Amino acid sequence: DIQMTQSPSTLSASVGDRVTLTCRASYHVGEWLAWYQHKPGNAPKLLLYKVSELATGVPPRFSGGGSGSEFTLTINSLQAGDFATYYCHQYNTYPVTFGGGTKVEI
Amino acid sequence: QVQLQESGPGLVKPSQTLSLTCTVSGDSISTGTHYWSWIRQPAGERLEWIGRISSRGGANYNPSLKSRFTISVDTSKNQFSLKVASVTAADSAVYYCARVSLSGLTDFWGEGTLVAVSS
Repeated sequence: DIQMTQSPSTLSASVGDRVTLTCRASYHVGEWLAWYQHKPGNAPKLLLYKVSELATGVPPRFSGGGSGSEFTLTINSLQAGDFATYYCHQYNTYPVTFGGGTKVEI
Repeated sequence: QVQLQESGPGLVKPSQTLSLTCTVSGDSISTGTHYWSWIRQPAGERLEWIGRISSRGGANYNPSLKSRFTISVDTSKNQFSLKVASVTAADSAVYYCARVSLSGLTDFWGEGTLVAVSS
């Protein structure tokens, strides 16, 4: 299985900050990389797919980059509603796999 | 807007069979334009893909899991289901159902349902 490693596991930030989360795959996943935002008790929400494509309704302060096996999620001008856990996900190869998550907290 | 809602018992005894159902609204399973998937997350662990099913009933499972998992679909009710046989404490987790595009992208999720395995 392709292992997805996210760093950091926890990130402390403030409203207005720019933060960058990292995701590394144990094998190349091409462009088949997605990011989700998850708040407790809610359904995980798709933010980006194919590395950098914004999902419907997602504000452009979220951006994705990288290629092959190293990827980033950048949140510009962090808003109060952005404090959540973020997961990366490779869907290049079955079984699809997920990173362990980065919790963005105040 | 596509919505998925998991339902099932919150507590199951060891060795019993866990049964969960996912009800889909805002989309029709029978159109065949998506797969329908189950994912779980034990406390403190990462998300784990269990498997997926097509509208025609063809299912694929995570090879890392033992063959205790069965996914089925009922297009007349716009639902799909998961059965886990012979559960143990290791099967305690939040179980999510989700929609998967033909490219493999999981685009919509349910809120998840917490299942505890305990006597």
